[in-house]
Amino acid sequence: SSELTQDPAVSVALGQTVKITCQGDSLRSYFGTWYQQKPGQAPIVVISDQHSRASGIPGRFSGSSSGNTVSLTITGAQAEDEADYYCASRDSSGNLWLFGGGTKLTVL
Amino acid sequence: EVQLVESGGGLVKPGGSLRLSCAASGFSFSRHHMSWVRQAPGKGLEWVAYISNSGTFIYYADALKGRFTISRDNANNSLYLQMNSLRAEDTALYYCVRLESGSYSDWFDPWGQGTLVTVSS
Repeated sequence: SSELTQDPAVSVALGQTVKITCQGDSLRSYFGTWYQQKPGQAPIVVISDQHSRASGIPGRFSGSSSGNTVSLTITGAQAEDEADYYCASRDSSGNLWLFGGGTKLTVL
Repeated sequence: EVQLVESGGGLVKPGGSLRLSCAASGFSFSRHHMSWVRQAPGKGLEWVAYISNSGTFIYYADALKGRFTISRDNANNSLYLQMNSLRAEDTALYYCVRLESGSYSDWFDPWGQGTLVTVSS
């Protein structure tokens, strides 16, 4: 199997743009998914199926990918975007799933 | 409304066993592949196991193989996770998740609220 690597913490000023990245060999073969988890809540899907926003997710969230890296960009971050963000994909075998370690986003 | 409701968590001694259940509603359960994902207190998400819609294909995280068994009962819209030889490091919130598929990938949606398993003497 392989790993997905994320920065543990990122901060952004209110209304500014932030990019959260995730690296891993499996991302060369499988598209990544982004999940958002707020304290005390179950995760929800933010970006899936290449770069599609999940239902109900604001337009300020977008996804992109290049090589072994997928990115989640929040354009004009809001206070309510403060959360943990996890990337995920199948591993290179296709039979296991991997999660990144998560990035804690702080909106200043 | 699509809903996944986990149950069966609790306090268990090291070496003990526990069986988690997940009741699915609001969708055609037998048509969807399912998984369990866990989250240790204050830690990240960890995929545990996968079962195909018919139960034919089953995969486990390498570290859990041999101790955990995933199964399903499509007639009763239920998913299960039998956990044996439990260790302190298995302490976590266990989520039942549906696997959704799109044109390019698949993802876990929705997630239940989780059931807490605590392994401690």
